[in-house]
Amino acid sequence: LAKTTQPISMDSYEGQEVNITCSHNNIATNDYITWYQQFPSQGPRFIIQGYKTKVTNEVASLFIPADRKSSTLSLPRVSLSDTAVYYCLVKALRAGNMLTFGGGTRLMVKP
Amino acid sequence: KAGVTQTPRYLIKTRGQQVTLSCSPISGHRSVSWYQQTPGQGLQFLFEYFSETQRNKGNFPGRFSGRQFSNSRSEMNVSTLELGDSALYLCASSPGTQTDTQYFGPGTRLTVL
Repeated sequence: LAKTTQPISMDSYEGQEVNITCSHNNIATNDYITWYQQFPSQGPRFIIQGYKTKVTNEVASLFIPADRKSSTLSLPRVSLSDTAVYYCLVKALRAGNMLTFGGGTRLMVKP
Repeated sequence: KAGVTQTPRYLIKTRGQQVTLSCSPISGHRSVSWYQQTPGQGLQFLFEYFSETQRNKGNFPGRFSGRQFSNSRSEMNVSTLELGDSALYLCASSPGTQTDTQYFGPGTRLTVL
C-alpha cells in the first residue's frame, strides 16, 4: 500500500485559495488518489478523486503531475465552513474497498 | 437518495459487555465497510462486506465481527468490550466495484466505561 504524507495543519483566511499537497512516492500503476473532508464527530465526506493530470468538480480541483508521486488538492475561495480535516488517500485497485487513511491535514480558515 | 444511516448514534457500555451496531447503506449499494476512528490511531479499516460475504478484513482482534444481510444492511458486533474500544465507528457504502467512491455515514459514538 502506498503511504501518503501531508502537512499536519494549515491556516488560511476566508476568500483565499488553499492548496494542500500530498506525497505518495510508492503509488502503483493502478492506484487512484482520493480526497476526503471530515468535520468533528462526522463521517468523512468524499471531495474528489483522480488518476492523472487534472480533475475539477464543483467544490475542488485535483492536480496530479505526470510522475503521480504527489497530488495537490485546491480549494478555491475558502470560507469558515471549510475548516476541517482533509485526508489524502491512495486507493488500491484490488478486490474490495479498503481505504487507508493517514493523519490528514487540519485546515483552519480564519475570518 | 437517502444517505448512509447508522444506529444508534451514541452508545454507552461497560467493560465486558457486547455491542451491536447497525448500518443501512445507500439504496443500491452492495458494499459496506466499517472503520474505527480514535484520537490516537486515527481512522482504521475493520472489514468490508459485499453481497453478504466478507471481502476484506483489517488488523483487528476476533472480538470484532460483522455480517451483511441480503438487503445489504450490515451489523458490526464487538464482544467483551475493553476501554480501548471507545471510538467513533463509521460505516461506508459503495456500489461495489473497485473504483467506486465510498460514502460514509455519521457514525456511532461508542463509550466504554
